Amino acid sequence: NAGVTQTPKFRILKIGQSMTLQCAQDMNHNYMYWYRQDPGMGLKLIYYSVGAGITDKGEVPNGYNVSRSTTEDFPLRLELAAPSQTSVYFCASSSQGANTEAFFGQGTRLTVV
Amino acid sequence: SQELEQSPQSLIVQEGKNLTINCTSSKTLYGLYWYKQKYGEGLIFLMMLQKGGEEKSHEKITAKLDEKKQQSSLHITASQPSHAGIYLCGADPGNTPLVFGKGTRLSVIA
Repeated sequence: NAGVTQTPKFRILKIGQSMTLQCAQDMNHNYMYWYRQDPGMGLKLIYYSVGAGITDKGEVPNGYNVSRSTTEDFPLRLELAAPSQTSVYFCASSSQGANTEAFFGQGTRLTVV
Repeated sequence: SQELEQSPQSLIVQEGKNLTINCTSSKTLYGLYWYKQKYGEGLIFLMMLQKGGEEKSHEKITAKLDEKKQQSSLHITASQPSHAGIYLCGADPGNTPLVFGKGTRLSVIA
């Protein structure tokens, strides 16, 4: 059971480039999330989804887009990368929205130069 | 919006010593989660507390949610190098995903 898988693990982008961070889970979870973690700042929610076809903004959605065409996948798209998007990105999933454990991927470390 | 404050921000303890990490919420906690993150890795779920006064233990780690449900503490007994990492508390606001504290960085030295 792989759990939550994120790719790539590391990436360096130039300012203005675009990329997609991939996230897949094999636990048939309805809920999926994208967080970013900056040094000393904890985790901040970017976007989340409560099921296929449904997405919603979190605390820091600007500069990002998501889609949820299947239960398994929840890609995060960065358009026109900026240095402020340098961070570690975590994808997570849970079976319900409350009172359940969230499972996290290993993270994607992104640097924008 | 709900905010979580963790203290201390960082902690260095000698192997074998006990330690406590606190998590204080700006609002009533309906679910409090503790996660551990090893440097450069993802978050590992430790435990979840829901009821005021609830206490849970896993190996040498004990977490408690106070009666008023606005503060939780995580206590590690006889710390070991394997306990080193970042400990994050997360709160369930009820209708939106978890919000997290900024984390406590724990180092255990010989």
